[in-house]
Amino acid sequence: DVKVTQSSRYLVKRTGEKVFLECVQDMDHENMFWYRQDPGLGLRLIYFSYDVKMKEKGDIPEGYSVSREKKERFSLILESASTNQTSMYLCASIGGNQPQHFGDGTRLSIL
Amino acid sequence: DQQVKQNSPSLSVQEGRISILNCDYTNSMFDYFLWYKKYPAEGPTFLISISSIKDKNEDGRFTVFLNKSAKHLSLHIVPSQPGDSAVYFCAAPLSSGTYKYIFGTGTRLKVLA
Repeated sequence: DVKVTQSSRYLVKRTGEKVFLECVQDMDHENMFWYRQDPGLGLRLIYFSYDVKMKEKGDIPEGYSVSREKKERFSLILESASTNQTSMYLCASIGGNQPQHFGDGTRLSIL
Repeated sequence: DQQVKQNSPSLSVQEGRISILNCDYTNSMFDYFLWYKKYPAEGPTFLISISSIKDKNEDGRFTVFLNKSAKHLSLHIVPSQPGDSAVYFCAAPLSSGTYKYIFGTGTRLKVLA
């Protein structure tokens, strides 16, 4: 069974801080994704990665960057956190004929 | 341009009755569609999918119907249970062969005991 683990369930940070959200999957999937979920807006893709060190911007990449140094780990970085980045962040991975499998999410609050 | 739309943000249904969640799409090239269920403070979990060559797929209490001419799909839950209360997202791969999905905005289902 696929397991996608996000390092924190809840996180509180201050504006201007650099924030790291970590995601690890245990299924050797090549493709990994970062989304944010906001009420009324659904899941919006921030970045995705299709291989180690490979990344592509999603629909809302502004203010974010990512890192994929190892296949199993995909990190989302908020360069300088702002209050409009308060959200639920979801990591997912996919491989083979399976659907995208999500982690439990990180509820991030920027004060 | 939102290619996958869920026009009902919320739905309330009595326990034991049928829940019908709707999703419209604009791109007739989508290969298949998926439904995900999401509880608060948890990640979405895959529920059921349907290939574009089918018009119905059933899994226990959950059935998805696809009407290609209307570019419309619906998820039926029968009978509805209080544990089905969650946000439901429909999704489709952005293009053939890609792993990127486009998601609808979600419908919050509340099943009343």
